[in-house]
Amino acid sequence: DVKVTQSSRYLVKRTGEKVFLECVQDMDHENMFWYRQDPGLGLRLIYFSYDVKMKEKGDIPEGYSVSREKKERFSLILESASTNQTSMYLCASSSILKGLSTDTQYFGPGTRLTVL
Amino acid sequence: AQKVTQAQTEISVVEKEDVTLDCVYETRDTTYYLFWYKQPPSGELVFLIRRNSFDEQNEISGRYSWNFQKSTSSFNFTITASQVVDSAVYFCALSDTGTASKLTFGTGTRLQVTL
Repeated sequence: DVKVTQSSRYLVKRTGEKVFLECVQDMDHENMFWYRQDPGLGLRLIYFSYDVKMKEKGDIPEGYSVSREKKERFSLILESASTNQTSMYLCASSSILKGLSTDTQYFGPGTRLTVL
Repeated sequence: AQKVTQAQTEISVVEKEDVTLDCVYETRDTTYYLFWYKQPPSGELVFLIRRNSFDEQNEISGRYSWNFQKSTSSFNFTITASQVVDSAVYFCALSDTGTASKLTFGTGTRLQVTL
């Protein structure tokens, strides 16, 4: 079974703090993703990575950065947390399917971040 | 740009009723994939089905069935004889065929099944 884990289920931080959200997958997947989920907006892609040290911006990258130093680990960084970054953050991973890179994404349990 | 529309924000049914969740998509790609995910109250998204654009055959898995119609750009999901455990938010998603095949999600449909 695919296993995607996230470092925390719930996190409370203060405005201006630097926040790290960690995601680890154990299926040797090439692709990893960070989404945020807000009521009425569905899931929106923040950043994704298709290889170690490679990253690309998603639809809403502003205020975020990412790091992928090892294949199994993908970190989301909030350099200076703000209240509008209060949200549910979901990590996902997928493999490259015969070079087409269109395999199913598997999700972690999510981290509910509150910024006060 | 890709777009997924789930017009039903919330649906309430009584147990044993059948319910259909609608999904309409927009894409310029000729090759693409469609997905349904379930998000129970615990929060984790659970993969239900993946369908590629060349396969319009309907699929049935137990009480779940999916109707893919390319002509109307729809990929609807039906639960037959709903149960309380089906209560969740259901997301339809569309992938592109670029690097890492990003997903575009609909806004989700919250299904409430009561006794």
